[in-house]
Amino acid sequence: EPEVTQTPSHQVTQMGQEVILRCVPISNHLYFYWYRQILGQKVEFLVSFYNNEISEKSEIFDDQFSVERPDGSNFTLKIRSTKLEDSAMYFCASGTGVWDEQYFGPGTRLTVT
Amino acid sequence: QKEVEQNSGPLSVPEGAIASLNCTYSDRGSQSFFWYRQYSGKSPELIMSIYSNGDKEDGRFTAQLNKASQYVSLLIRDSQPSDSATYLCAASGNTPLVFGKGTRLSVIA
Repeated sequence: EPEVTQTPSHQVTQMGQEVILRCVPISNHLYFYWYRQILGQKVEFLVSFYNNEISEKSEIFDDQFSVERPDGSNFTLKIRSTKLEDSAMYFCASGTGVWDEQYFGPGTRLTVT
Repeated sequence: QKEVEQNSGPLSVPEGAIASLNCTYSDRGSQSFFWYRQYSGKSPELIMSIYSNGDKEDGRFTAQLNKASQYVSLLIRDSQPSDSATYLCAASGNTPLVFGKGTRLSVIA
């Protein structure tokens, strides 16, 4: 069964450093998403991406964040200058229709020290 | 502010019983509703989607939607210890998914 994959599973970085989180969505999906979940809190929407551009973003997704689909399979989230409060699980998801069923990857645990 | 509310639990049920999980949402424009299961330290796993009023069954799971009451529920029949997890309700109205905090279910063998 096809699934969303994410790398790395755990990333530790120092405050102020740049990180890139990588995702490979399910191959026939057209809509891609990033979410985050701070420990013990809700899953929060960050950004949606369709047809090689951002379709919607939340207030969390400020200028420190960017997304890219550098080739036909990868989808990346870049955080330019990490802060302590960026420590969270970051989930990539993909789906066939806008705001339709979304399938989540296993997540990347980001720890900012 | 669009909100999805769930009782955080824990909800404890004996093995073989029916577990009933509930969710309310604030945005009347919500059209799509989803239940996800999340084991500790893992990612959300889609269990059910429901779009119209009434019941939708899939194996041991039944989702129920009542748009007039802005209420969604998930029934798990013949609960198993492996069903012990946090169940997340999510809603969308052609807008980003809004998740509830989740209800922690514990199935006691």
